[in-house]
Amino acid sequence: EPEVTQTPSHQVTQMGQEVILRCVPISNHLYFYWYRQILGQKVEFLVSFYNNEISEKSEIFDDQFSVERPDGSNFTLKIRSTKLEDSAMYFCASVGRTTSGFNSYNEQFFGPGTRLTVL
Amino acid sequence: GDSVTQMEGPVTLSEEAFLTINCTYTATGYPSLFWYVQYPGEGLQLLLKATKADDKGSNKGFEATYRKETTSFHLEKGSVQVSDSAVYFCAPRYSGAGSYQLTFGKGTKLSVIP
Repeated sequence: EPEVTQTPSHQVTQMGQEVILRCVPISNHLYFYWYRQILGQKVEFLVSFYNNEISEKSEIFDDQFSVERPDGSNFTLKIRSTKLEDSAMYFCASVGRTTSGFNSYNEQFFGPGTRLTVL
Repeated sequence: GDSVTQMEGPVTLSEEAFLTINCTYTATGYPSLFWYVQYPGEGLQLLLKATKADDKGSNKGFEATYRKETTSFHLEKGSVQVSDSAVYFCAPRYSGAGSYQLTFGKGTKLSVIP
């Protein structure tokens, strides 16, 4: 069964360093997302990506964050200069189109997450 | 803003016990409602969903009914198993979310003991 994959599973970095989190969505999917979950808190939406551009982003997704789909398969989240408060689990998700089109109740398929620890 | 309130965990139950995990959402628009589950070491998986009032989503013995009058979507299972041990997330998708992103609850960790 197709699945979303994420690498690495755990990333440790020093404050101020750049990190790139990688995701491979399901191959025929069209919408891509990043969410994060700070330990003990809610899973929060960061950004959605469609047709090679950002579709929506939350207040969390400031200038330190960027996303790209460099080669048609990978979907990356870059944090330019990490802060301690960026420590969290980051989840990638993707959505495909069904026979009824693309709508609000299409399932989002999630990856296993990358645990980012900023020291 | 749009939000969801989910029962705090952790919840520990004996095998074959009845499970309820409460979830209420803010009544902005007409959200689609989802429950996701995260088994240890894995990603979030869709457990069930409901898209309109009085719809009942069901899967693997779990059920949840879309209650518009109480803005709730409580998750229930009549007889839990050890393999149900996981974290459960209630997640509305609000109609104003143009790219259909989910709004997650905090998650409820369920541990089922033999």
